[in-house]
Amino acid sequence: DAGVTQSPTHLIKTRGQQVTLRCSPKSGHDTVSWYQQALGQGPQFIFQYYEEEERQRGNFPDRFSGHQFPNYSSELNVNALLLGDSALYLCASSPSPKVARWEAFFGQGTRLTVV
Amino acid sequence: SQQGEEDPQALSIQEGENATMNCSYKTSINNLQWYRQNSGRGLVHLILIRSNEREKHSGRLRVTLDTSKKSSSLLITASRAADTASYFCATGPFYNQGGKLIFGQGTELSVKP
Repeated sequence: DAGVTQSPTHLIKTRGQQVTLRCSPKSGHDTVSWYQQALGQGPQFIFQYYEEEERQRGNFPDRFSGHQFPNYSSELNVNALLLGDSALYLCASSPSPKVARWEAFFGQGTRLTVV
Repeated sequence: SQQGEEDPQALSIQEGENATMNCSYKTSINNLQWYRQNSGRGLVHLILIRSNEREKHSGRLRVTLDTSKKSSSLLITASRAADTASYFCATGPFYNQGGKLIFGQGTELSVKP
């Protein structure tokens, strides 16, 4: 049973470019959340997708957008990259918000470096 | 913004000693969770404690929660070199606000053999 998988593991982009990160949730999970973790900091919530819709959003600009596909996998897109977007991007999958038992499983992350 | 603050920011101990990390948070919670992160990679879920629980154990881990003080502690007993990692507390999910987790800034634990 594969856990949460993220791709790519590392990425280097130039300022102003656009990037797409991908996440496949754990089997049986249909909710995907994205987090940004700057060096030396705790993860910060970007947004959450459930039933192919953005359900909740953190304090991030519109340059950050996402998508969830019918198979529950998800993409995080960041446009007009800034140096400050350099971070570890983590994907977390969890069961439907409707179930009583809730736990989040995290992928290994994508390390994005903007130069 | 961060919900919680961990204390200490860094902790260095010898193998076999106990490690205690503390977490304080600001708003009312339903759950508090502890995660481990090795070398800036993915987060591993350690334990969840609900707001109506005061203490929970899992193997060598003991978590306490004091909702009156808005604080939690994680105790790792008989530490091993493999416990070297960053440890984060996270509040959530908030059932009426989706599955968002709010993390503290973490405690970096170093266990020397």
